[in-house]
Amino acid sequence: KNEVEQSPQNLTAQEGEFITINCSYSVGISALHWLQQHPGGGIVSLFMLSSGKKKHGRLIATINIQEKHSSLHITASHPRDSAVYICAATPRGSEKLVFGKGMKLTVNP
Amino acid sequence: DTAVSQTPKYLVTQMGNDKSIKCEQNLGHDTMYWYKQDSKKFLKIMFSYNNKELIINETVPNRFSPKSPDKAHLNLHINSLELGDSAVYFCASSPRGQRYEQYFGPGTRLTVT
Repeated sequence: KNEVEQSPQNLTAQEGEFITINCSYSVGISALHWLQQHPGGGIVSLFMLSSGKKKHGRLIATINIQEKHSSLHITASHPRDSAVYICAATPRGSEKLVFGKGMKLTVNP
Repeated sequence: DTAVSQTPKYLVTQMGNDKSIKCEQNLGHDTMYWYKQDSKKFLKIMFSYNNKELIINETVPNRFSPKSPDKAHLNLHINSLELGDSAVYFCASSPRGQRYEQYFGPGTRLTVT
């Protein structure tokens, strides 16, 4: 079992919908990252958080350290949000980044 | 200006050959990484260097050897290429370790035939 699990693995939504992507992890962590991989292959870091909540435009990331869970929310989704969203965690005491398998999001117009 | 660049973008080669992938970052970051993304799109760390010093070396075959001539460059040399080495290799950098935001290069798609 991977230390970082994401659900769902695939999601199709209609433009304008509110989307939630979940990530759970099984070890203590010092940081959690949300990454976006575009259909062309490039990877962009969306958020890095260790507690609470961060917001950037239509994206919101939250983390619950006690429950070992993080969510990425997309408000007013748009077809350009179609991408693979990857959760990754830095285990406490480690310099290693452990990745989830990613969630492929398709937003239809 | 490109923050993290990799060359080449595509690399097609035959089994048994030796090849290198180069990575450069102009962000002034201390830490650089190599990641491998397999055919199922799963990312896994291979190596991490901090100020030219190797700090992470995952269970990667000895055929893979990273080299950091200075903290802005981290190259990956692969000897005796095998079919299973086919993947996309991403270089990344961060200001100082995994607790900071990572900046990824565009990736190098390696195909071994």
